[in-house]
Parts: sequence; C-alpha cells; structure tokens
Amino acid sequence: NAGVTQTPKFQVLKTGQSMTLQCAQDMNHEYMSWYRQDPGMGLRLIHYSVGAGITDQGEVPNGYNVSRSTTEDFPLRLLSAAPSQTSVYFCASRSTGFKREQYFGPGTRLTVT
Amino acid sequence: ILNVEQSPQSLHVQEGDSTNFTCSFPSSNFYALHWYRWETAKSPEALFVMTLNGDEKKKGRISATLNTKEGYSYLYIKGSQPEDSATYLCAGLPSGGYQKVTFGIGTKLQVIP
Repeated sequence: NAGVTQTPKFQVLKTGQSMTLQCAQDMNHEYMSWYRQDPGMGLRLIHYSVGAGITDQGEVPNGYNVSRSTTEDFPLRLLSAAPSQTSVYFCASRSTGFKREQYFGPGTRLTVT
Repeated sequence: ILNVEQSPQSLHVQEGDSTNFTCSFPSSNFYALHWYRWETAKSPEALFVMTLNGDEKKKGRISATLNTKEGYSYLYIKGSQPEDSATYLCAGLPSGGYQKVTFGIGTKLQVIP
C-alpha cells in the first residue's frame, strides 16, 4: 500500500492564481482531511470529508474548496491564491471510528508570492 | 472543537533522562485524544489513541495516560534516546462533532547525546 500520497511536493504560485493540491489514499478510509501547518501554530483543519459526496468545513476554510467524488481522492483547490496561504499542507485519512488514528501524507510546501 | 494546549513548547534533555509533557483539554466535551510523533522533514505518525478515563497506553519506552475528569493527558519517555528527538503532538476530538480534530502546537523534544 502506498498509504496517503500528495502531489505536488513543492509549488510556487503568484497571487491570484488558482491550483489544486492532490491527495489520494489506498486504504479505503472513509474520513479524509486537509490541514495547514504554519510556524508557531499547530496543524489547523481546513476541510474534511466523511465519505464520497460529503464534505464539511474545518477551522480555516476560507479561500479553499474541496470535493470528494471517490473514496480514494480528496483534492484541495485554492481559488485565488494569496500570500497568507503560504504554508505546508498535509492531507490525512482514517477509518471513521473514533478510535482510529490518522495517517498523513508527505505534505505540500506552497509559496504564494 | 476541542481546544488542546500542550506544555512545555520545547524541551532539551540529556540522553538517558526520562521526561514527560502534558496535553490539556476541556473535559466537558471530550471524546477522544490522539498522540502523534513528528520528526523533522517527515509526516506526523500516530502513537496512541486515548478514549477512556484512566487509559494507559505503552509503546516501547513511550507511554501515555489519560484523565478525562480533570482534562489532561501525559506522555512519558523513559530513558530518552537521540532518536526520540521530534515534536510530539496531541489532537482532541470533541463530543458531538468528533470529526473536527484540533491539534495542539506540540512539544519539541531534543535529546542531547
């Protein structure tokens, strides 16, 4: 199993550009989520999904869109990139039981200039 | 959201020392708590999932306890080794919305040989 994969690993965008961060998992996990990690702050939840077709907002959803058309994939879209979105983004997945830990992808480092 | 706080934010110990750090949370809406280990340039990896008051979990030299009535969890490392150097994160899952996971800022541990 590859676990949780993310692409790209690094990305530089100009302000106003849009892009999609890809996330895929091959563990048949129902729950998937996106976090951003900024210096001096913990991982902050952007959006999450409890299954195909079901998504919800986390703590910091503004400026990001998600969709979940399949169990495996959970892309994160930046609609109009801003310098405040410069961050490291992590995708994670787990089974929906609350006793299940999360498995994280390798992260995407995004810089918006 | 279950806000979690971790202390201390950083810790330097000598090889062989035992150490512990704290994750605190409001006991009123607790559902579950996860501990993760995060090495530099890697992704967080799950250590423990804690759900019941009085839970004690152990993995090698690392163990954790949970007190849901007073709202804290301790992580202990016995006989610290340089390879234990990492950031240790706790994550809270609240009742009534346990999908919205909230991470603490982490405790950064450095073990000096």
